[in-house]
Amino acid sequence: AQSVTQLDSQVPVFEEAPVELRCNYSSSVSVYLFWYVQYPNQGLQLLLKYLSGSTLVKGINGFEAEFNKSQTSFHLRKPSVHISDTAEYFCAVSYATYNFNKFYFGSGTKLNVKP
Amino acid sequence: EAGVTQFPSHSVIEKGQTVTLRCDPISGHDNLYWYRRVMGKEIKFLLHFVKESKQDESGMPNNRFLAERTGGTYSTLKVQPAELEDSGVYFCASSQDGQGQYFGPGTRLLVL
Repeated sequence: AQSVTQLDSQVPVFEEAPVELRCNYSSSVSVYLFWYVQYPNQGLQLLLKYLSGSTLVKGINGFEAEFNKSQTSFHLRKPSVHISDTAEYFCAVSYATYNFNKFYFGSGTKLNVKP
Repeated sequence: EAGVTQFPSHSVIEKGQTVTLRCDPISGHDNLYWYRRVMGKEIKFLLHFVKESKQDESGMPNNRFLAERTGGTYSTLKVQPAELEDSGVYFCASSQDGQGQYFGPGTRLLVL
């Protein structure tokens, strides 16, 4: 069965510090990769996506992620976080050789940015 | 452009009752998806519509769940009868090309 692992359920970090949120997935077949963010009392917002091409993907709000096929990872990074980045972040994977419309999500990482 | 909308935002019902959730996708999006998040766990796929047709319903938990998308516009997800384990947040998403899904705010369902 396909699975997505977000290794950290919670990440506390101070404002202006760098952060990395980790995501690993179970299969090495062709994948599409996504990061979503959920702010309190809101829906999921697409941060960035990898479909093909360059393995370094830049998204909104200064976030970026790197696709590493050999390690089946898609970690999310930001060099300097703001208080407003406090939210829950979800990694999602779909498998291009199967039903690429079916997303598999990780269990989420709560980012808590402290002043 | 309006995003994906869901109604109601919250629902509290008793075990054995029926609840119907509604999703209005982004205008022009043929693909519509339902997902569910239970008890802070991962968000799980329920099903996928292309227009009014069910493309993939492999994630539907059992026959107490019925999804429809009449006319290929909005969709409803009915749970009948509801059980305690059905509590969670139900998300709807839509997309045009499947390579990036746009999510609604979710419906928080609590079954007592």
